[in-house]
Amino acid sequence: RKEVEQDPGPFNVPEGATVAFNCTYSNSASQSFFWYRQDCRKEPKLLMSVYSSGNEDGRFTAQLNRASQYISLLIRDSKLSDSATYLCVVNQYGGATNKLIFGTGTLLAVQP
Amino acid sequence: DADVTQTPRNRITKTGKRIMLECSQTKGHDRMYWYRQDPGLGLRLIYYSFDVKDINKGEISDGYSVSRQAQAKFSLSLESAIPNQTALYFCATSERRPNTGELFFGEGSRLTVL
Repeated sequence: RKEVEQDPGPFNVPEGATVAFNCTYSNSASQSFFWYRQDCRKEPKLLMSVYSSGNEDGRFTAQLNRASQYISLLIRDSKLSDSATYLCVVNQYGGATNKLIFGTGTLLAVQP
Repeated sequence: DADVTQTPRNRITKTGKRIMLECSQTKGHDRMYWYRQDPGLGLRLIYYSFDVKDINKGEISDGYSVSRQAQAKFSLSLESAIPNQTALYFCATSERRPNTGELFFGEGSRLTVL
């Protein structure tokens, strides 16, 4: 079982739609969680951190469910510019290092 | 100009050749990383360095070596390239404190080994 699993998609949605992605992680000791965005043929960039109480940044809402070991990303009022791959990232603390585990990503294609 | 710069951006080489990918950063971060990205496998850590005197293997270090020449420079070498090392390679940096989980990536180096 992969340490971080995501539905690869693609999710094809019309402009204005609401879309949600889930991500599950296997290590219950994971302590920090993030969503990164990667445009086609570009580098990943941090979209937002995921806090235990849930957090919102404009049209984006991230939630964490520790009991079920999953995190989610909700995008409201989708824009064409939201088309990208969304990477779920989990930070595990162990010894002297912090280890970031990346999911394989979920591809979102917003259609006009 | 990009804060994290990788060279070359694209490279095609033959099996058995030695290849070096270079990374330099102007962010002043102590921590630097090399990742490779393959379709369906996501980003995987090759090597990381927390300062000039600190080099650590990641999950897939076999066939690779690194050199941290200065705080701002971290290079990745493939001593004898093989076709399954064809991938997109990313260099990244992060702050020492606090660890927010934010990595700053270079634009990537696409390597093809024939």
